[in-house]
Amino acid sequence: RKEVEQDPGPFNVPEGATVAFNCTYSNSASQSFFWYRQDCRKEPKLLMSVYSSGNEDGRFTAQLNRASQYISLLIRDSKLSDSATYLCVETPGYSSASKIIFGSGTRLSIRP
Amino acid sequence: NAGVTQTPKFRVLKTGQSMTLLCAQDMNHEYMYWYRQDPGMGLRLIHYSVGEGTTAKGEVPDGYNVSRLKKQNFLLGLESAAPSQTSVYFCATFHSYNEQFFGPGTRLTVL
Repeated sequence: RKEVEQDPGPFNVPEGATVAFNCTYSNSASQSFFWYRQDCRKEPKLLMSVYSSGNEDGRFTAQLNRASQYISLLIRDSKLSDSATYLCVETPGYSSASKIIFGSGTRLSIRP
Repeated sequence: NAGVTQTPKFRVLKTGQSMTLLCAQDMNHEYMYWYRQDPGMGLRLIHYSVGEGTTAKGEVPDGYNVSRLKKQNFLLGLESAAPSQTSVYFCATFHSYNEQFFGPGTRLTVL
């Protein structure tokens, strides 16, 4: 089983729709989680951190469910500019920064 | 601040040729990483460094060597390139319980 698993998609949704995708992780000791966004042929960039209490930033909401070992990303009122690949990232902690694990990404395509 | 820069941006090599990819950062971060990204495979760690003068192997180190002689630079070398090393290479830095900062990538094709 992969350490971090994501549905590769693509998710193809109309503009204005709400879309959500999950990421499961296998290491119950993992400390920190993040969502990164990667545009085609570009480098990954941090979208948001994921906290146990949930984290909301505008149209984006990230949740962490430690009991079921998954994190989620919800995008409301999707825009054309949200089309990208979303990477789930697991970090055990600073002392184990070598163990940063990236998911393979979920591709999202927003259509007009 | 330039952040993380990579040189070159593109390169085409013939099998057996060698080359060095340069990563430079101006954020004074201790940790630096080299990843490769292939379609459907996500980012895979090649080598990393936890500080000047240190290097360690990641998930896919075979065929690559690295050096970190200066804190701000992390070099990735291919001694004898193979077609299987055709990929996009990303350098990244890491500072704390926080985000990684990535360079723009180097697109390498080995014929």
